[in-house]
Order: sequence, then structure tokens, then C-alpha cells
Amino acid sequence: GAVVSQHPSWVICKSGTSVKIECRSLDFQATTMFWYRQFPKQSLMLMATSNEGSKATYEQGVEKDKFLINHASLTLSTLTVTSAHPEDSSFYICSALLDRDGSYEQYFGPGTRLTVT
Amino acid sequence: GIQVEQSPPDLILQEGANSTLRCNFSDSVNNLQWFHQNPWGQLINLFYIPSGTKQNGRLSATTVATERYSLLYISSSQTTDSGVYFCSGTYKYIFGTGTRLKVLA
Repeated sequence: GAVVSQHPSWVICKSGTSVKIECRSLDFQATTMFWYRQFPKQSLMLMATSNEGSKATYEQGVEKDKFLINHASLTLSTLTVTSAHPEDSSFYICSALLDRDGSYEQYFGPGTRLTVT
Repeated sequence: GIQVEQSPPDLILQEGANSTLRCNFSDSVNNLQWFHQNPWGQLINLFYIPSGTKQNGRLSATTVATERYSLLYISSSQTTDSGVYFCSGTYKYIFGTGTRLKVLA
């Protein structure tokens, strides 16, 4: 149990275009999902916290108009990178929070490698 | 801001050796988890351990929440243990700096 999928697993796009990444909790409902970004040989950097039915909470330094997050249902959150540029190339990982009777565990998707040319 | 420091940053072991990885928090510990990131980038859940000690096969973990640290023990290491180990455990779900482990055959 506790499986999270992410789609696409990799994407190449041209500068100026937008890319949407989907994160789904397959066998549990998640009120809260997280989006992280990871550069090579670095740790995961929290970008934003996505809550179902409300606006996402963005970390300091993350442009909310650039990285649009929508948590439309209890099993789906999407991250749209708008007007992508080469510096947006990175590994994006989502996680979903599983509530086990008051214990909150994160489960991660496999990640999406974005390359902007 | 909240700091999550992991040590050591890099570790090279011979197969069969034991090791201890440490995670220190600058803020209160909540919902502490240990993860292993494999070479393809997938994060695998190892332990959910907000306090106390747990064991799973060759791995065990201990969290001392009052002192804001957690330890991950790897015994009889195998080459498949190679990868990066992360902890996460504050209310902000921020990740530690990671320990990059390489186990040599």
C-alpha cells in the first residue's frame, strides 16, 4: 500500500513553453501533498505544500506564478511550470502525506526529470 | 530557518561493515522519517520513527526527540545499500543534507 505515481517520468520542452506534472496517490487519500526540487548531488528542496481545496503554500523564494500548483482532489496534485527556461531544468519530486491515525508519513512519487532546451 | 544536518556527508564502506548515520534538528522533531534514495532517484521509506527505536532486518533507527537527533544503523552492509540516505522530521517536512553511502564489494 501507499503508492504514489508521478507523470511524466521525464520531459523535454522548449524554452517559453509550459509543462504540467501530475502526482497521484493511488491507494490512499491525501489532504496534503508536497512538491520538491532536487539538483544533482543535492538534497531535496521543499517548493510548496499543496492542500486539497485550498491554495498552495509556497516556500520563500519560490515564485508562485511560475510554479502553479493545483490540488483538485484528494488523490491528485499538479505542478505546472509556466514559461519554462533552462534554469528550471531539474528533478521534481512529489510526495503525499498519509494519515495513519494521527501519524503522518510521506510517500514519494518516482520523480520527473525536466529538461528545458 | 530550520536546519536539518546529517553526518557524515559521505561514507565509503567495505561490504559487511557496520555504520551509523546521524540526523540533527534545530527545531522540534515531528513525524521523523528516514529514506533511501536509489540511483534512479526514487525515495524509499525506511522508518517512520518520531521517537524510540525500531528495527527492520539489518537496519535499525533510534530517535531521541528531547535532544533533537536521530540515528540510523546499518549492519552487515551490502552493495545494494549504496545510495543517499535522507532524514526528514520537522513540521515543515524539510529534508536533511543527506549521507552519500558507497559500499564496496
